Parts: sequence; C-alpha cells; structure tokens
Amino acid sequence: EPEVTQTPSHQVTQMGQEVILRCVPISNHLYFYWYRQILGQKVEFLVSFYNNEISEKSEIFDDQFSVERPDGSNFTLKIRSTKLEDSAMYFCASTGRIDTQYFGPGTRLTVL
Amino acid sequence: AQSVTQLDSQVPVFEEAPVELRCNYSSSVSVYLFWYVQYPNQGLQLLLKYLSGSTLVESINGFEAEFNKSQTSFHLRKPSVHISDTAEYFCAVKTSGTYKYIFGTGTRLKVLA
Repeated sequence: EPEVTQTPSHQVTQMGQEVILRCVPISNHLYFYWYRQILGQKVEFLVSFYNNEISEKSEIFDDQFSVERPDGSNFTLKIRSTKLEDSAMYFCASTGRIDTQYFGPGTRLTVL
Repeated sequence: AQSVTQLDSQVPVFEEAPVELRCNYSSSVSVYLFWYVQYPNQGLQLLLKYLSGSTLVESINGFEAEFNKSQTSFHLRKPSVHISDTAEYFCAVKTSGTYKYIFGTGTRLKVLA
C-alpha cells in the first residue's frame, strides 16, 4: 500500500539555524499539507499546497516558514531561523481528493 | 470559524467494555468529518470518515461513528474494546470548499485489563 514518507525521523538543531524537513507524498496525490504537534497537544494545521502554490495557511505559518515542491516527488518545509518553540512533531500529509488525508510518520524537531 | 471540541482528554475503560469518544464541531456550512488514531510514537492513521450519504460510518476494526447534524456531533463508538485499542484519537473537520483540516485536542483511550 502506498504511504507518505518523511525524513529525517528526528532532527536536532540549534536555535537560529535553518532546517528543512522532507516528505515524499503518495505519488498520484495532488494536495499536500504540513501539520505540527507540540508534545502532548493537538495537531495544528500549518499549510496546504496545490498546483505548486500555497492554497491556505494558518497564523502559525509566518515568514519563517516556507514550503516547496522542488521536483516531482519531494515536498519540503523550511524553517529559516528556528526558535525553541518550534520544537514539535511535524507531519506531512497528502490527498488525491479533497477528503481523505494520508499522514506520514512525522519528524521530531528538537531546537536547543 | 470552524472548531472541533473533544470534551474528554482521557477515557479509561476495561477490556471488552463499550466506549464512546465524543466530538462536537462548529461550522455554518457543510463539512467532512474524520476520526484519526495515533499510536505511541507514530503518525496519524485514518480510522473512518463521513463525507456524505449514510450518517453511520464504520471502520474495519469495529469502530463506528454517527454524524448528527442537529447536534453537530460525530461521536466515535466501539461496543467492545481491546487492549490494542489503547491510543490517542483525534476528531477532525474540513469545511467544503477549503483546504484546511481542523483537529480536536484528542482523547487518550486507555484500555485496562
């Protein structure tokens, strides 16, 4: 069964550094998403992406964040200058239709 | 604005007992509703969904949920739980015409032997 994959599984970085989280969505899917989950808290929507542009973004997704689909398979989330409060699990998701999302296993980002 | 409320943060229940995890949403337009399950240190897995049609939807592992438009609810039920059902359960809503999914705060189901 096709699945969404994410790398790395765990990323440790120093405050102020840039990080890039990578995702490979399911191959025939068209809509891509990033979510984050701070430890013990709810899953929060960050951004949705369709046809090579952002469809919708939340208040969390400020100028420090950017997304890109650099080729036909990868979908990346970049945080330009990480802050302590960026520490969270980051989940990528994709869907072929605007109904069912399939989530990746997540990347745990730890900012020191 | 859309919102999702899961009133119970934790639900302990004995094995083979029934369980109901509550979910209420607020939206003034038509919605799609989902339940996701998250096992420890894993991502979210779709459990079941309501898009249209029959208001009662079922999963392959015995869970069911009923869409109640008048009460704006989508409660998750299982008549007899197993130890392996221990996990975090998230209710989510998506408004028709948007790309955004809103998740509830989750309910931690703990099944006791």
